[in-house]
Amino acid sequence: AQTVTQSQPEMSVQEAETVTLSCTYDTSESDYYLFWYKQPPSRQMILVIRQEAYKQQNATENRFSVNFQKAAKSFSLKISDSQLGDAAMYFCAYRSGGSNYKLTFGKGTLLTVNP
Amino acid sequence: ETGVTQSPTHLIKTRGQQVTLRCSSQSGHNTVSWYQQALGQGPQFIFQYYREEENGRGNFPPRFSGLQFPNYSSELNVNALELDDSALYLCASSQSGSEKLFFGSGTQLSVL
Repeated sequence: AQTVTQSQPEMSVQEAETVTLSCTYDTSESDYYLFWYKQPPSRQMILVIRQEAYKQQNATENRFSVNFQKAAKSFSLKISDSQLGDAAMYFCAYRSGGSNYKLTFGKGTLLTVNP
Repeated sequence: ETGVTQSPTHLIKTRGQQVTLRCSSQSGHNTVSWYQQALGQGPQFIFQYYREEENGRGNFPPRFSGLQFPNYSSELNVNALELDDSALYLCASSQSGSEKLFFGSGTQLSVL
């Protein structure tokens, strides 16, 4: 079974600074997807960024980028120019390739952004 | 384009009762999945429905059951509620062939 580990229960960052959230995963599969989701107080899970395992290039979405290290099974999220609205729980998630949409989530990292 | 909507937003039940949670999928989505998120934890996969058939299930007992309707709305039913069933229940919909899931804001269930 796949597992996802987020070793940082809480992180804080100053507004406009950069922060990196860590995630490691364990799998024996070669075809899979990795995701970062944001969960604000509204509770809705919002997709931040996704990475296909077969792509060597790290995904980027505006201020959000990942460092995908497939051999090390590491998938960290970098948030640049942090904004107050970035404050939320961040979850790393794994999904196998194919038609099974099951996501396996980590326990989350609570990000605080200080003004 | 409408989003994923869940009802009710909050619910209080007592141990042993039964509960039904509802989800309206995003327009055009034919796959729905349900997750349980206990306090301080990440969501855990309960099951998934595609075209009204269950096609994937997590490590949850049979008292957790579901339905998907022809209009792709969905229900999660939980029988014989236990205190540990207290959690946020999230519904997510997607279009077959896409890895993108769209989540609702959840139903917060409290079992007393």
